[in-house]
Amino acid sequence: NAGVTQTPKFRILKIGQSMTLQCAQDMNHNYMYWYRQDPGMGLKLIYYSVGAGITDKGEVPNGYNVSRSTTEDFPLRLELAAPSQTSVYFCASSYSTWSGPYEQYFGPGTRLTVT
Amino acid sequence: AQSVTQLGSHVSVSEGALVLLRCNYSSSVPPYLFWYVQYPNQGLQLLLKYTTGATLVKGINGFEAEFKKSETSFHLTKPSAHMSDAAEYFCALGLLTGGTSYGKLTFGQGTILTVHP
Repeated sequence: NAGVTQTPKFRILKIGQSMTLQCAQDMNHNYMYWYRQDPGMGLKLIYYSVGAGITDKGEVPNGYNVSRSTTEDFPLRLELAAPSQTSVYFCASSYSTWSGPYEQYFGPGTRLTVT
Repeated sequence: AQSVTQLGSHVSVSEGALVLLRCNYSSSVPPYLFWYVQYPNQGLQLLLKYTTGATLVKGINGFEAEFKKSETSFHLTKPSAHMSDAAEYFCALGLLTGGTSYGKLTFGQGTILTVHP
């Protein structure tokens, strides 16, 4: 049971380039999330998904896109990278029901630098 | 709107001293509250959680937290700090809203704990 995995661990992009951050979970969780973490700012939700084929925007979605074709995978796409997207990106998953939120399980993160 | 405030971005203690990390929340519906720990260059790990029931919650590594509704607080404590406790700690709020919150959590800004020998 690998939990939540993310690739790559590190990446340097030039301004205007695009890339996809990969995220996978093997816990059969229905909910998945993408966050960015900036120093002193906590974690900000970029996008989330409540199941395959269903995604929605979080707090800071601009400049990002997601898709979820399977329960296991939730890739995050950066189009036209900008220096403001330099951050550490975390993927998380959880099992949530109508009775309330359960804890989220986090991946190890991807450290992205845009120059 | 819900929010989480962690008082003190940096807390420094001596090894063996009490650890107290403060978290206050704002919520119009019953909250679920979590504390996570992040070691350098790693993801977040769950320390403990409050959902319903007992207000004093025990977690891993000797940490505990008490939910105080009247004070809208969920402070994290540990009686005796260890060098290995040095990390960043995040308080997070989830809402019991009949499923419409979609399990989303609101995170505080984080508190970096330094432990001196």
